[in-house]
Amino acid sequence: ETGVTQSPTHLIKTRGQQVTLRCSSQSGHNTVSWYQQALGQGPQFIFQYYREEENGRGNFPPRFSGLQFPNYSSELNVNALELDDSALYLCASSIQGIGAEAFFGQGTRLTVV
Amino acid sequence: DQQVKQNSPSLSVQEGRISILNCDYTNSMFDYFLWYKKYPAEGPTFLISISSIKDKNEDGRFTVFLNKSAKHLSLHIVPSQPGDSAVYFCAAREVGNNRKLIWGLGTSLAVNP
Repeated sequence: ETGVTQSPTHLIKTRGQQVTLRCSSQSGHNTVSWYQQALGQGPQFIFQYYREEENGRGNFPPRFSGLQFPNYSSELNVNALELDDSALYLCASSIQGIGAEAFFGQGTRLTVV
Repeated sequence: DQQVKQNSPSLSVQEGRISILNCDYTNSMFDYFLWYKKYPAEGPTFLISISSIKDKNEDGRFTVFLNKSAKHLSLHIVPSQPGDSAVYFCAAREVGNNRKLIWGLGTSLAVNP
């Protein structure tokens, strides 16, 4: 059984650019949630994907978008990057309707300069 | 406004003693509470959860207590070990379609040999 994996682990982008982050969910998990964690803060919910559709969204602008694929892997896309987008981006997988725990990947550290 | 609060940013405990990490919440629309442990440069690792209808859950050295009337939960680690040194996050799962996690700011635990 493989855990949640995210790529890349680190990324440096310039303000105004676009970025795509990737996540492979844990085997058997059909739900993927994305979180942003700024330095010294707890993770903030961006959105969740279930059955390839967005299943709820946090307080993030539309330039944050995502996809889920038939194999349950997911992408987070951020357009028009801003300096404040610099953060650790975490992906969590879970099984919809079963259990409470979500399992996290190691995160992608995004730095916008 | 923080719905989940961890008021102690740090805690230092001697090896072998009990570590008690506290968490308060302001919203009653949570159905589960979870504790995660996080090392630098890694994603959060799930430790233990408790349903809002329970008042105690135990798993090995970890016990979580929930006091619904006080809207307070705590994580007890007995005995504490140096490998427990990490940042501990309290998270509450919102009732609803996506059941997103609302996180506290974390408490940094240092277990001294």
